[in-house]
Amino acid sequence: AQSVAQPEDQVNVAEGNPLTVKCTYSVSGNPYLFWYVQYPNRGLQFLLKYITGDNLVKGSYGFEAEFNKSQTSFHLKKPSALVSDSALYFCAVRDRENRDDKIIFGKGTRLHILP
Amino acid sequence: EPEVTQTPSHQVTQMGQEVILRCVPISNHLYFYWYRQILGQKVEFLVSFYNNEISEKSEIFDDQFSVERPDGSNFTLKIRSTKLEDSAMYFCASSKQGARVYEQYFGPGTRLTVT
Repeated sequence: AQSVAQPEDQVNVAEGNPLTVKCTYSVSGNPYLFWYVQYPNRGLQFLLKYITGDNLVKGSYGFEAEFNKSQTSFHLKKPSALVSDSALYFCAVRDRENRDDKIIFGKGTRLHILP
Repeated sequence: EPEVTQTPSHQVTQMGQEVILRCVPISNHLYFYWYRQILGQKVEFLVSFYNNEISEKSEIFDDQFSVERPDGSNFTLKIRSTKLEDSAMYFCASSKQGARVYEQYFGPGTRLTVT
């Protein structure tokens, strides 16, 4: 069965500092991995994805994520946090071997950037 | 940039009543989805829809739920007889293709409150 774990309910980072939001996954085959962000009263916005190739993927708003197959992780990172990055972040996975299209989401991590 | 839109933004209904949630996917997208998010919990897949039929559904999507694409632009989710536990944020999503590499684009959601 597919699953995604986001071990931290909340992450607090001072503005200007680097941030990391953790994600690990479990799939039977190889994964497609995604990060989405949810601002208050808004829908989910796509940030970035890993499909194949370079393990470091870059996305919107200066975010990047590194796929680590041996650790089954896909942590979201940003070198310098902004207050406007405060939001709820969801990691998601699709199993490459399954024919279905649904995304399995993690429970979300609330990122709070302190001014 | 094209967006997925949803109406209404908030729907209040009494238990046992029927509700229809409406979505307008991005115009050149072919795959459509509904997800829900109970307050404070993770986003859960409900159903995927392609070529005028359901391609996959979760165990949440029981006989009380149905989906329809009544014309070339709208995609609807109907709950025939709402229960208190149906209270949640419902997100519509669409993607260009069902291939697993394509990210899904989400609407802003409809908050359904069942009293």
